[in-house]
Amino acid sequence: SQTIHQWPATLVQPVGSPLSLECTVEGTSNPNLYWYRQAAGRGLQLLFYSVGIGQISSEVPQNLSASRPQDRQFILSSKKLLLSDSGFYLCAWSQLGGLANNEQFFGPGTRLTVL
Amino acid sequence: RKEVEQDPGPFNVPEGATVAFNCTYSNSASQSFFWYRQDCRKEPKLLMSVYSSGNEDGRFTAQLNRASQYISLLIRDSKLSDSATYLCVVPPLGGSQGNLIFGKGTKLSVKP
Repeated sequence: SQTIHQWPATLVQPVGSPLSLECTVEGTSNPNLYWYRQAAGRGLQLLFYSVGIGQISSEVPQNLSASRPQDRQFILSSKKLLLSDSGFYLCAWSQLGGLANNEQFFGPGTRLTVL
Repeated sequence: RKEVEQDPGPFNVPEGATVAFNCTYSNSASQSFFWYRQDCRKEPKLLMSVYSSGNEDGRFTAQLNRASQYISLLIRDSKLSDSATYLCVVPPLGGSQGNLIFGKGTKLSVKP
């Protein structure tokens, strides 16, 4: 069966510090991968998605970046965090292929607080 | 019309009640729809997928009305454990294949 891991679970960082969040998927190959952010009391905002190694699409301009160095690894980074970067960061995967937009499965998330 | 729109609630119902949520969507070409459940401070989890007119799983029934472009989720015999936020999810207008748009959710609180 497929599993998705994210770490760390919780992070408190000062403004201006760098960020690196990691997500890995097991039990599947060549998945679509996604990074979302959910601010307190808000809906999910898609930040990045990837259909393959080294292929990253950005949905919202911001000071964040993403990379996919391996098939089942997705990394979210920032060189300098802003207060507005606080939120619940969720990684998700879905199966490639077909005409239908497939369901996505989420990792446990990282709760980031920028002070 | 927004790509996906839900009544935020909250819906406060007693145990055993039947409750229904509606969700409207913009993309008339959509073929697949989903309902997710999100508990407080947790990740969303897939509840049901809807590819045709509807789907039923135990106490949960999802119905799709393509003509009016809305999806509903019906919960029968509500349990305390059903308390959560329910997210309606649809493919985006003109978006890349594989992407999904998540509604802001409808909050359900089931009381004893």
